[in-house]
Amino acid sequence: DIVMTQTPLSSPVTLGQPASISCRSSQSLVHSDGNTYLSWLQQRPGQPPRLLIYKISNRFSGVPDRFSGSGAGTDFTLKINRVEAEDVGVYYCMQATQFWTFGQGTKVEIK
Amino acid sequence: EVQLLESGGGLVQPGVSLRLSCAASGFIFSNYGMSWVRQAPGKGLEWVSTISGGGTSTYYADSVKGRFTISRDNSKNTLYLQMNSLRAEDTAVYYCARAVSGSYSTWGQGTLVTVSS
Repeated sequence: DIVMTQTPLSSPVTLGQPASISCRSSQSLVHSDGNTYLSWLQQRPGQPPRLLIYKISNRFSGVPDRFSGSGAGTDFTLKINRVEAEDVGVYYCMQATQFWTFGQGTKVEIK
Repeated sequence: EVQLLESGGGLVQPGVSLRLSCAASGFIFSNYGMSWVRQAPGKGLEWVSTISGGGTSTYYADSVKGRFTISRDNSKNTLYLQMNSLRAEDTAVYYCARAVSGSYSTWGQGTLVTVSS
């Protein structure tokens, strides 16, 4: 099974400042079809998860451009350019290359 | 508008069965793989099961294999999760989600399943 490890697990940030979350997989996420199925989801308090980024770096419809994804192979990063109050919540990376697995989640809160 | 609406959750005793439903609207249901993902109280997300658009392929997490069955009725635009031999550790909010481009583009609001004596 592929294990997804996120760091940090908690990220206090100042409004307007950047934030970064790392996600590492226990094996390469490059699929036999050439795609890398690594995505990022946001879960605001009391809400279901919401897709932000799919296939490493593609922003989903309606997602602000302050969110960006990068990485390759086993190491991936989600960056929030300038954190806004509405960005508070838990962020999960997820792989779908071999079945489906989520990271533990990273809680983003305002300092 | 793409929508998913789960139902069927509740409080049940260990060992009993429960069936969850997820009603889909706003898209061609049979064109999409669908999944169930759960979240125990205060915990992270856990993938449970996935079914292909035509219903011919199904996948399960080890934690539910042999106890849970995913199915779909494309004529009714509805996804199901039959849960048997429920355990306390199955207590969670169960979300249905639509699979797109290797992720989940749409999620329902979730239905709470509580297994307790």
